[in-house]
Amino acid sequence: DADVTQTPRNRITKTGKRIMLECSQTKGHDRMYWYRQDPGLGLRLIYYSFDVKDINKGEISDGYSVSRQAQAKFSLSLESAIPNQTALYFCATSDPGTSGSSSYNEQFFGPGTRLTVL
Amino acid sequence: GESVGLHLPTLSVQEGDNSIINCAYSNSASDYFIWYKQESGKGPQFIIDIRSNMDKRQGQRVTVLLNKTVKHLSLQIAATQPGDSAVYFCADRDRGSTLGRLYFGRGTQLTVWP
Repeated sequence: DADVTQTPRNRITKTGKRIMLECSQTKGHDRMYWYRQDPGLGLRLIYYSFDVKDINKGEISDGYSVSRQAQAKFSLSLESAIPNQTALYFCATSDPGTSGSSSYNEQFFGPGTRLTVL
Repeated sequence: GESVGLHLPTLSVQEGDNSIINCAYSNSASDYFIWYKQESGKGPQFIIDIRSNMDKRQGQRVTVLLNKTVKHLSLQIAATQPGDSAVYFCADRDRGSTLGRLYFGRGTQLTVWP
């Protein structure tokens, strides 16, 4: 079973529609992230959450909002979708780790949601 | 701005050869570096990481080299196989980051020819 799941996997919508992308994790991690991936631009951070009471903006938060409903769930919303939000969206989780951890800050990614805004 | 970048967007190698993927970074405060592999249609997967107090770290068929003097990171894949074909991302973390934020490069597409 996947540790980080995302729904839906694919979505086509129209300009102006409200869209919610959901992420769930079974890793028990406190930290969760939402990234956007565009061709040639790599991964860019939209929002991140330290724990259920903590939400922080990333590099490109305009036009997006998030909700951390529980430790295991982190949702990304596009209040009014526009075509330049067409992209691949990834959720990720991480654990603070310890100084002796071999994976000091590894982030575990979900399979992604391909969103197309027409 | 983006602190991590890649020298080449694509790399093609013959099966069995060694691959070297390079990455340059600009943030002197970066204290942790990580390589991810992303296969088509999938999310990035961890390959190997290295802390700034190390110059080299080896995994299974992979080696990461860190040269802090010139702010350069490389991923070496030994005996490259067709299954290694993917996009490879490097990422770094700022020492001052308390929330584990990683900054990703744009990625290098590795293609392995039989």
